[in-house]
Amino acid sequence: QKEVEQNSGPLSVPEGAIASLNCTYSDRVSQSFFWYRQYSGKSPELIMSIYSNGDKEDGRFTAQLNKASQYVSLLIRDSQPSDSATYLCAVNDMTGGSYIPTFGRGTSLIVHP
Amino acid sequence: AAGVIQSPRHLIKEKRETATLKCYPIPRHDTVYWYQQGPGQDPQFLISFYEKMQSDKGSIPDRFSAQQFSDYHSELNMSSLELGDSALYFCASGWAASPDTQYFGPGTRLTVL
Repeated sequence: QKEVEQNSGPLSVPEGAIASLNCTYSDRVSQSFFWYRQYSGKSPELIMSIYSNGDKEDGRFTAQLNKASQYVSLLIRDSQPSDSATYLCAVNDMTGGSYIPTFGRGTSLIVHP
Repeated sequence: AAGVIQSPRHLIKEKRETATLKCYPIPRHDTVYWYQQGPGQDPQFLISFYEKMQSDKGSIPDRFSAQQFSDYHSELNMSSLELGDSALYFCASGWAASPDTQYFGPGTRLTVL
């Protein structure tokens, strides 16, 4: 069974700091990796996707992927209180033509002023 | 930009009643996914449709059924409701040309009393 593991947190960082969120996955054939942000009671919002080893930057967000070690991380620079949310890691292996991601349980991030 | 629409946003039902949740995908999206998210849980995939045909099936109870109509909207029908069915139900839409990318709707909060 595919597993996606995240530290549930909460991860607390001061405003302006770098928040580092980590995710490990069990299925070596995983090909697509996603980070979603979810505010309490709201729907997940896709913020980053990454497919190749290395770093991918988008504004204040950087996703890092290491397939050999089976982990993917999300860095949030200059963290703002509005970044306080649960961050869900999702992994997709696309085997058998299925594009259904496996989600982690999420890491709660708190950015305090 | 148009987003995924779900209705109703909130629904309260008694045990053993039935419920119907509706999802209207983003225009020109051809794929719909249904997820169930319990409190503090990750989204659990229920079922998906592509071009009005069921494409994948996840952990959907036999008491639930779903379909996608000719206008691409989808309905999730839930019968013999149980207390444990209380959750957020998300619909996501996407298109086959970019199967990894799913856009989530605002969700329907179902409470079973």
